[in-house]
Amino acid sequence: DTGVSQNPRHKITKRGQNVTFRCDPISEHNRLYWYRQTLGQGPEFLTYFQNEAQLEKSRLLSDRFSAERPKGSFSTLEIQRTEQGDSAMYLCASSRDRGESTDTQYFGPGTRLTVL
Amino acid sequence: AQSVTQPDIHITVSEGASLELRCNYSYGATPYLFWYVQSPGQGLQLLLKYFSGDTLVQGIKGFEAEFKRSQSSFNLRKPSVHWSDAAEYFCAVGLIKAAGNKLTFGGGTRVLVKP
Repeated sequence: DTGVSQNPRHKITKRGQNVTFRCDPISEHNRLYWYRQTLGQGPEFLTYFQNEAQLEKSRLLSDRFSAERPKGSFSTLEIQRTEQGDSAMYLCASSRDRGESTDTQYFGPGTRLTVL
Repeated sequence: AQSVTQPDIHITVSEGASLELRCNYSYGATPYLFWYVQSPGQGLQLLLKYFSGDTLVQGIKGFEAEFKRSQSSFNLRKPSVHWSDAAEYFCAVGLIKAAGNKLTFGGGTRVLVKP
């Protein structure tokens, strides 16, 4: 496994701009998750995909946020009209459904967003 | 709703000394428990997990954790800390797949290692 990769690693933008992040999961992992981590806090769940289907979205995911996983492989997270409160580390994780009662999620290095 | 509490925000330990990080959870069903470590500016690395069976689980880097259902705890331990163990540690509860399988994290414990 090459691990979960995320791009870019850092993004600085001005308030009101749109940004898009990409996540490439571990190959053959059919589940993909997005989390957000603000300074000094633990990660908080945003959304997850089973293959290309988005199965759950957190209330944290406002209308300005949209995530896609068009072919069940990589995923993108877009934030429109960014606000300073969107500044955070955005983490992606992937897992493989092995038929067990739960999965083990493996995390990427994250994308740190700073909104000026 | 599930929740995870890590009571210690910071812990300072001398190199070579033992380390114990506390984690308490609240969850109405069988818990699936994880410990992750995060170095500055990095993502999360899985240290160990508990799904079922033996309540003492071994992980990477010499860490172990013990699940105590009666205390709703899953404390992480290491007998002898190395300077490279300085990092932030997160405990997490995972839901069963039918409930979405998302992780709920505690607030983290930052470990500082003194030489």
